[in-house]
Amino acid sequence: EAGVAQSPRYKIIEKRQSVAFWCNPISGHATLYWYQQILGQGPKLLIQFQNNGVVDDSQLPKDRFSAERLKGVDSTLKIQPAKLEDSAVYLCASSFGTHTDTQYFGPGTRLTVL
Amino acid sequence: AQSVTQLDSQVPVFEEAPVELRCNYSSSVSVYLFWYVQYPNQGLQLLLKYLSGSTLVKGINGFEAEFNKSQTSFHLRKPSVHISDTAEYFCAVSDWTASKLTFGTGTRLQVTL
Repeated sequence: EAGVAQSPRYKIIEKRQSVAFWCNPISGHATLYWYQQILGQGPKLLIQFQNNGVVDDSQLPKDRFSAERLKGVDSTLKIQPAKLEDSAVYLCASSFGTHTDTQYFGPGTRLTVL
Repeated sequence: AQSVTQLDSQVPVFEEAPVELRCNYSSSVSVYLFWYVQYPNQGLQLLLKYLSGSTLVKGINGFEAEFNKSQTSFHLRKPSVHISDTAEYFCAVSDWTASKLTFGTGTRLQVTL
């Protein structure tokens, strides 16, 4: 069974530039999550999708971050414009359902904002 | 609101020694508890989870954890560690009101010969 795929693995940009990350969840998983993991901290949920609807985006900085999940499968997370404090690893995860179901994580995208 | 505290940021241990990684949580409702492991340059992988029932939960790679409701703890243990257990370990909590996971800040387990 293929795992959660993410691309790119690494990205370096200048502040005020824009960037996009892509995630392909495990086939059949209805729930998709985007997390931000700053160095030395645990992952923080940015947004959660159930199929193609948003369940929770309470910690997403909506003035600069946006995310979509097309047709309830792949998802993209965009930052525009980027700030220095956005430097982090962005993790995508998926699960069959919610609450008690195991979340499967991708390898992450390491973003460096200069 | 729920929260997780991992008091130890780093735990050094010799190979074949026992280890305990501590986790305390805070929540106003019944919780679900998880331990994830993150190897270098990899995503997180589930070690074990507590949903209900027996308070002693066994996971992969010889790890186990015990849910203690009175102490609001979910400590992770392994009787004998290996070099390959060197990684970052995250405790996480969710509950029936919020499907999202809230993670602790992580504990770096460093196993040496």
